[in-house]
Amino acid sequence: DSGVTQTPKHLITATGQRVTLRCSPRSGDLSVYWYQQSLDQGLQFLIQYYNGEERAKGNILERFSAQQFPDLHSELNLSSLELGDSALYFCASSVATNTGAEQYFGPGTRLTVT
Amino acid sequence: AQSVAQPEDQVNVAEGNPLTVKCTYSVSGNPYLFWYVQYPNRGLQFLLKYITGDNLVKGSYGFEAEFNKSQTSFHLKKPSALVSNSALYFCAVRWMDSSYKLIFGSGTRLLVRP
Repeated sequence: DSGVTQTPKHLITATGQRVTLRCSPRSGDLSVYWYQQSLDQGLQFLIQYYNGEERAKGNILERFSAQQFPDLHSELNLSSLELGDSALYFCASSVATNTGAEQYFGPGTRLTVT
Repeated sequence: AQSVAQPEDQVNVAEGNPLTVKCTYSVSGNPYLFWYVQYPNRGLQFLLKYITGDNLVKGSYGFEAEFNKSQTSFHLKKPSALVSNSALYFCAVRWMDSSYKLIFGSGTRLLVRP
């Protein structure tokens, strides 16, 4: 168990809908990262938050957004969902005060868009 | 641009034999390199990392990796493979900016046959 929790574990929804994925980082970790894993795209970095502020953006679509709250949990919002958004979404956390700090991954949320 | 490549989609090895999973990278400056393992329907688990120092890095579950600067490689090794080592292995390089995002390779599936 990495200490990173993600809910829900599975999510099935229809095209055009909006969903929210939730992540709680390991205790003490200030940085949260979101990744998307799909068969054709592999593991892609989406966005990073550090202590409530956006730190870096990757291949995140405009239909997607995220935030990190004062208690450091994070939410990834996916809207106007398309079939191609079906994927495994991972959250990871790290201390991020050490440049060599490894990231610890949650179990993921499997999103299926029908 | 920073990137990481895993040239083999799959590696097959017999139990008890040594295993190697290859990784090469392209990064400016001194790289921070990581190996993660993913079991079916699970999140990524950190195995080991290279930041600086000894080129041979030892990690979890008997895995080790050798950093070779001249060949820009960071191959994962284990002296004696177990069937339970069968999984998907990812090499990653840390993006050298103020974020700590990781750029992942495409993954290598390791199959250890009894």
